[in-house]
Amino acid sequence: GNSVTQMEGPVTLSEEAFLTINCTYTATGYPSLFWYVQYPGEGLQLLLKATKADDKGSNKGFEATYRKETTSFHLEKGSVQVSDSAVYFCALKGDMGSSNTGKLIFGQGTTLQVKP
Amino acid sequence: EAGVTQFPSHSVIEKGQTVTLRCDPISGHDNLYWYRRVMGKEIKFLLHFVKESKQDESGMPNNRFLAERTGGTYSTLKVQPAELEDSGVYFCASSHYSSPNTEAFFGQGTRLTVV
Repeated sequence: GNSVTQMEGPVTLSEEAFLTINCTYTATGYPSLFWYVQYPGEGLQLLLKATKADDKGSNKGFEATYRKETTSFHLEKGSVQVSDSAVYFCALKGDMGSSNTGKLIFGQGTTLQVKP
Repeated sequence: EAGVTQFPSHSVIEKGQTVTLRCDPISGHDNLYWYRRVMGKEIKFLLHFVKESKQDESGMPNNRFLAERTGGTYSTLKVQPAELEDSGVYFCASSHYSSPNTEAFFGQGTRLTVV
């Protein structure tokens, strides 16, 4: 079945450091890929998405590229801020050919703490 | 426009008691999903409603969990009787369509603690 694996946390960085959170997936067909973020005390928010191979999703300085050859969707940011401290979830949604009902398959989440 | 709203935000109950969680989706969204995150692990799908019908309930852990969506508006998730392993954060999400590239909007979650 479909699954998502993301790097173990927590990740602790200093402000302005470069961030990479690895995410790989297993899926049949051509899934859509997402990164969600949960800030302290808030719900899940969509950070970015990519719906086909080689697409790059970007938002708030974060980027992730849909790499079908490596089945990966790594999240990157060139210079993190304290306000980026949150839990980040990689997720996929199967394509309509896989009898998908629109449900999301999530990774285990990576906690990021950015120190000033 | 109001987002997805969940009630309560926190609930602490004793083992064996009953708890009902509520989710109000975004108005007009036919698709409503329940998810759960237990003990800092991955967020797992529980079930999917399209309007008032259960489209997929493959993630429901056992028959102690009952979800309803009468009238196709808000949804409730009842746990009866609650067990210790039911503790976690329960998320609700809604979307207009169920297609792969449609964004799902999430509520803030209900943190359930069973003691």
